[in-house]
Amino acid sequence: QKEVEQDPGPLSVPEGAIVSLNCTYSNSAFQYFMWYRQYSRKGPELLMYTYSSGNKEDGRFTAQVDKSSKYISLFIRDSQPSDSATYLCAKQGAQKLVFGQGTRLTINP
Amino acid sequence: KAGVTQTPRYLIKTRGQQVTLSCSPISGHRSVSWYQQTPGQGLQFLFEYFSETQRNKGNFPGRFSGRQFSNSRSEMNVSTLELGDSALYLCASSLSWLPTEAFFGQGTRLTVV
Repeated sequence: QKEVEQDPGPLSVPEGAIVSLNCTYSNSAFQYFMWYRQYSRKGPELLMYTYSSGNKEDGRFTAQVDKSSKYISLFIRDSQPSDSATYLCAKQGAQKLVFGQGTRLTINP
Repeated sequence: KAGVTQTPRYLIKTRGQQVTLSCSPISGHRSVSWYQQTPGQGLQFLFEYFSETQRNKGNFPGRFSGRQFSNSRSEMNVSTLELGDSALYLCASSLSWLPTEAFFGQGTRLTVV
């Protein structure tokens, strides 16, 4: 079993929709969880990180961690075509990040 | 403020050769990590360096090695290249060994033929 599981998609939604991206994790020794966005032929870009349980909001993006169910979520409100990318969840490990497989998201105009 | 710089961006090598990739971290960042990204395996951790010391290593064969210099710049080397080593190699830098805010470079696309 992988430490972080993420549905690779692809996921295609119309512009303006609310997008929900999810991951599950095991081995929760560390407390930080991150979401990265990766455009084609680019390196991953840190969107946001959360500490332990709870929500964190940044503009149209909300990250949520549920430690009881070991669930990590990213919500995108009012999705835009420019949000089309691969989204990677990650959890903090010892001097490293452990990534999910990434979900390819397409927002259709 | 300059981001993480990786060179070269693209590389084509022949099976059996060796290759060296370079990473210049964000100014002031002392931790540099390397990851391999492939369509099948996703992003996998190779190793992490902090103040010239390797602090952690992933599950990769000994053909993969790295080092960090006193100015925090890092190199990774892959010897005796195999076709399966074709991947995007990403470098990330952060202020400390905690990867909470790790910033990635654009990557080096290595193709082994």
